[in-house]
Amino acid sequence: EPEVTQTPSHQVTQMGQEVILRCVPISNHLYFYWYRQILGQKVEFLVSFYNNEISEKSEIFDDQFSVERPDGSNFTLKIRSTKLEDSAMYFCASRDIPRTSGRVGDNEQFFGPGTRLTVL
Amino acid sequence: GENVEQHPSTLSVQEGDSAVIKCTYSDSASNYFPWYKQELGKRPQLIIDIRSNVGEKKDQRIAVTLNKTAKHFSLHITETQPEDSAVYFCAAEAIWAGGTSYGKLTFGQGTILTVHP
Repeated sequence: EPEVTQTPSHQVTQMGQEVILRCVPISNHLYFYWYRQILGQKVEFLVSFYNNEISEKSEIFDDQFSVERPDGSNFTLKIRSTKLEDSAMYFCASRDIPRTSGRVGDNEQFFGPGTRLTVL
Repeated sequence: GENVEQHPSTLSVQEGDSAVIKCTYSDSASNYFPWYKQELGKRPQLIIDIRSNVGEKKDQRIAVTLNKTAKHFSLHITETQPEDSAVYFCAAEAIWAGGTSYGKLTFGQGTILTVHP
C-alpha cells in the first residue's frame, strides 16, 4: 500500500539555522499538508497546499516558514531561521480528491512518519 | 476558527471492557470527523471517520456517533485489548464548505488509553 514518506527522521540544528524538511506524498494525491506536534501535545495544522499554491495557513506559519513542491513528487517545508520553540515532530500529509461515499478512509489524510526537529 | 475539545485526557480500562472518548467542536461548517490512533513515536493512523450526514458508523469493535445539533461526537471501543493502548485523537474538518475541498484537520488534545490485561 502506498505511503507518505519523510526525510530525515530526525534533524538536529542550531538556533538561527535554516532547515528543510522533505516529504514525498502518495503519487496520485492532490492536496498536501504540514502539521506539527510538540512533544506530549496535540497535532496542529500549519499549512495546506493545492494546485501549486498555499490554500490556507495557520498563525504558526509565519514569514519564517515556506513550502514548495519543486517537482512532481517532493513537498518541502523550510524554516528559515529556527527558534527553540520550533522543536517538534513535523508531519506531512496528503489526500486524494474528497469523496462522499461514506466509506471509512475515503477522505483520509495520510500522514507520513514524521521528522523530529530538535533546535538547540 | 474551529476548536475541538476532547475528554478524558487519560482513560484506564480492563481488557474486555468498553472505552468511550468524547469530543465537542465549535464550527458548524465542520462536516468530517475522523479519529486517529497514535502509538508512541509513530504517525497518526485513521481508525474510523464519519460525515455530518450520518449519525453513527461501526467498524468491527469500533463505533463513532455524531450529534450535529449538540456539536459532539464520540468514539466507542468494545472488547478492548492491550494492543488498543495508544493515544487517540479526534479531529474535525470542513471538507466541502464554500465550494472548496482543501480541508484542514483541527485536532483534540488527545486521550491516553491504557488497557490492562
